[in-house]
Amino acid sequence: NAGVTQTPKFQVLKTGQSMTLQCAQDMNHEYMSWYRQDPGMGLRLIHYSVGAGITDQGEVPNGYNVSRSTTEDFPLRLLSAAPSQTSVYFCASSYGTSRADTQYFGPGTRLTVL
Amino acid sequence: AQSVTQLGSHVSVSEGALVLLRCNYSSSVPPYLFWYVQYPNQGLQLLLKYTTGATLVKGINGFEAEFKKSETSFHLTKPSAHMSDAAEYFCAVSGTGANNLFFGTGTRLTVIP
Repeated sequence: NAGVTQTPKFQVLKTGQSMTLQCAQDMNHEYMSWYRQDPGMGLRLIHYSVGAGITDQGEVPNGYNVSRSTTEDFPLRLLSAAPSQTSVYFCASSYGTSRADTQYFGPGTRLTVL
Repeated sequence: AQSVTQLGSHVSVSEGALVLLRCNYSSSVPPYLFWYVQYPNQGLQLLLKYTTGATLVKGINGFEAEFKKSETSFHLTKPSAHMSDAAEYFCAVSGTGANNLFFGTGTRLTVIP
């Protein structure tokens, strides 16, 4: 199993540009999520999905869209990039949606918005 | 409301010394608690977790943590630090709904040879 994969690893955008961060898992996990990591702030939840066709907002959803058309993929879209969205983005997945389930993290995408 | 406080953004220990990383939580429901480790330029890896049952939880790489409800704490320890333990450590608590995590701000551990 490749686990949780993310592309690209690095990206530089100009303010106002849009892009999609890709996330895929090959473990048949039901739950998937996106977090952003900023210095001194830990990780904060952006959006999550408890199954194909179901998504919901996390703590910091503004400026981001998600969709889940398949179990495997959970892309994160930046509609109009802003410098405040400069961050490291992590995708995670877990087998179920129980509070006790372990989340498995991808390697991250480092995004810089100029 | 769910939240985690990690005291000390940076901790330095000598190789072979005790590692103690502090985590206090707030939770409106019985907490499920996690410690994750992040090595440079990598994703997060689970060290250990507490859900129910035994309050002393053993994890990978010789780490363990004890859930203390009366102190709302879940501190991470390791008896003897190794150079390979140098990393950033995050404590997290589960949310009240789906499997969402609330993370602390992290503690960077430096091991001095």
